[in-house]
Amino acid sequence: EAQVTQNPRYLITVTGKKLTVTCSQNMNHEYMSWYRQDPGLGLRQIYYSMNVEVTDKGDVPEGYKVSRKEKRNFPLILESPSPNQTSLYFCASSFTGPYSYNEQFFGPGTRLTVL
Amino acid sequence: KNQVEQSPQSLIILEGKNCTLQCNYTVSPFSNLRWYKQDTGRGPVSLTIMTFSENTKSNGRYTATLDADTKQSSLHITASQLSDSASYICVLLTGRDSGYALNFGKGTSLLVTP
Repeated sequence: EAQVTQNPRYLITVTGKKLTVTCSQNMNHEYMSWYRQDPGLGLRQIYYSMNVEVTDKGDVPEGYKVSRKEKRNFPLILESPSPNQTSLYFCASSFTGPYSYNEQFFGPGTRLTVL
Repeated sequence: KNQVEQSPQSLIILEGKNCTLQCNYTVSPFSNLRWYKQDTGRGPVSLTIMTFSENTKSNGRYTATLDADTKQSSLHITASQLSDSASYICVLLTGRDSGYALNFGKGTSLLVTP
């Protein structure tokens, strides 16, 4: 089944403890992206990747890192999480970037709480 | 100030009725406009994608329209079903110096009741 998977789905952690949220897609998509969704603010893009080894900042990249060593994987790294990073995170992918007509597929989301 | 405003913020309709959701934008020019459906606790699902030159795009009971003169897009849902209960999000893609920007609306929460 074609899909975007994220792990973990739920995570409660403490301030400063490094964590990684994994994202994987099995559709051979070139473009992958991370978003966070907060009440009253909607979806905001954190980072995106147009292809392997190519990553760029979105609107809210502070406090996050990403890497794209393989086409299928795009992990989101929080080196030193803080409470303001408590949010619902979504990974998404599409064949090419958003300028194209290609549909973007979203993962199921990761709910992160930083105490 | 958000450049993509959606209205209403929330809406309750009876099953079987039609409804229209609005998306007003100030960003210009833009490359494409997308509507997504997001069920509670799940990732958004793409409904329609339109370029700035298109006027309408349908996907089953969902029809999106675009009026570039008034800078408005609408999502019309025909013969609503209980499963249409969700949040509907409008997104515009614009260019910027460092690449592109995704301009998200905050969504309209739709509840379809029996």
